[in-house]
Amino acid sequence: NAGVTQTPKFRVLKTGQSMTLLCAQDMNHEYMYWYRQDPGMGLRLIHYSVGEGTTAKGEVPDGYNVSRLKKQNFLLGLESAAPSQTSVYFCASSPLFSGTPSSYNEQFFGPGTRLTVL
Amino acid sequence: GENVEQHPSTLSVQEGDSAVIKCTYSDSASNYFPWYKQELGKGPQLIIDIRSNVGEKKDQRIAVTLNKTAKHFSLHITETQPEDSAVYFCAAHRRGTYKYIFGTGTRLKVLA
Repeated sequence: NAGVTQTPKFRVLKTGQSMTLLCAQDMNHEYMYWYRQDPGMGLRLIHYSVGEGTTAKGEVPDGYNVSRLKKQNFLLGLESAAPSQTSVYFCASSPLFSGTPSSYNEQFFGPGTRLTVL
Repeated sequence: GENVEQHPSTLSVQEGDSAVIKCTYSDSASNYFPWYKQELGKGPQLIIDIRSNVGEKKDQRIAVTLNKTAKHFSLHITETQPEDSAVYFCAAHRRGTYKYIFGTGTRLKVLA
């Protein structure tokens, strides 16, 4: 299994340009997440999805949109990039909590996309 | 709001020494506490986790302890090696929900 994959690995944009980051997972996980990582600030949740066709806002959603048309894919879009969106973006997935005592929804991360907005 | 405090932000140890990283969480309903290791240019990788019904868990040179009363949990790495150098993140999670609350990370340097 490839786990969680992200494309592209690196991207440079000019202010105002748009782009889409793709996340794919082959673990049949229900939950998927997009985080951004900035120096000294840890991981901040942008948007998340609890299943195919659903999305919800996280901690820092402004300037981003997402879609989950297929269970295995979670797309993050920047409609008009700004320098403040320069960051490393991580996608993650986790399984649905089954309700059994031994069930925990461990989270697995992709390798990241380094985005620079000039 | 919910948060996780992680200390120290940087830690340097001599090879062979032990390293301890501590986290404190605010949501008393949290019941799952993973630790991630992030190497340069890579995504966070789960290295060990602990559930609220357990006080300690070990896996070779790494161990995690949990004090539910004090809402503290810690990562212990013994006999450190240069390949342990990385950024380590703790997180707190309430089982059955989507949300993970992450600490701000500890940069561990193991000096040869």
